[in-house]
Amino acid sequence: EPEVTQTPSHQVTQMGQEVILRCVPISNHLYFYWYRQILGQKVEFLVSFYNNEISEKSEIFDDQFSVERPDGSNFTLKIRSTKLEDSAMYFCASRVGSYNEQFFGPGTRLTVL
Amino acid sequence: RKEVEQDPGPFNVPEGATVAFNCTYSNSASQSFFWYRQDCRKEPKLLMSVYSSGNEDGRFTAQLNRASQYISLLIRDSKLSDSATYLCVVRGSGAGSYQLTFGKGTKLSVIP
Repeated sequence: EPEVTQTPSHQVTQMGQEVILRCVPISNHLYFYWYRQILGQKVEFLVSFYNNEISEKSEIFDDQFSVERPDGSNFTLKIRSTKLEDSAMYFCASRVGSYNEQFFGPGTRLTVL
Repeated sequence: RKEVEQDPGPFNVPEGATVAFNCTYSNSASQSFFWYRQDCRKEPKLLMSVYSSGNEDGRFTAQLNRASQYISLLIRDSKLSDSATYLCVVRGSGAGSYQLTFGKGTKLSVIP
């Protein structure tokens, strides 16, 4: 069964450093998402991406964040200068088309020290 | 303002019990409704979509009341494997909005 994959599973970084979280969505999917979940909190929407551009973004997704689909398979989330409060589980999700289920990857746990 | 609100639990129930979870949402323009399941430190997985007419999938029954902005999930004959956090999820409020808004979840523990 096809699945969304994410690397790394755990990333530890120092405050102020840049991190790139990687996702490989399911191959025939067209819509891509990033969500985050701070430990003990709810899952929160960050951004959606379609046709090589951002469709929607939340208030969390400020200028420190960017997304890219560099090569037609990977979908990346970059945080330019990490803060302690960026520590969370980051989930990538993809969807094939309208009204279809979003499939979530296993997540990357980001720890900012 | 909580957009999707759930009783956090935990609900501790014996095997075989019936358990019900409730959820309210604040945005009356929300388009679609779901229950997701999340195991500890894992990704959310779709359990079922929720339709106005109500829908059933095996031991699971979901109901939606748009007028009251209320969603429910009923689990019959609970199994140990049902132990997880159940997330009430609402899809965006505008045409073309597909972002999901999650509740904080209700934790269920099924006890032998």
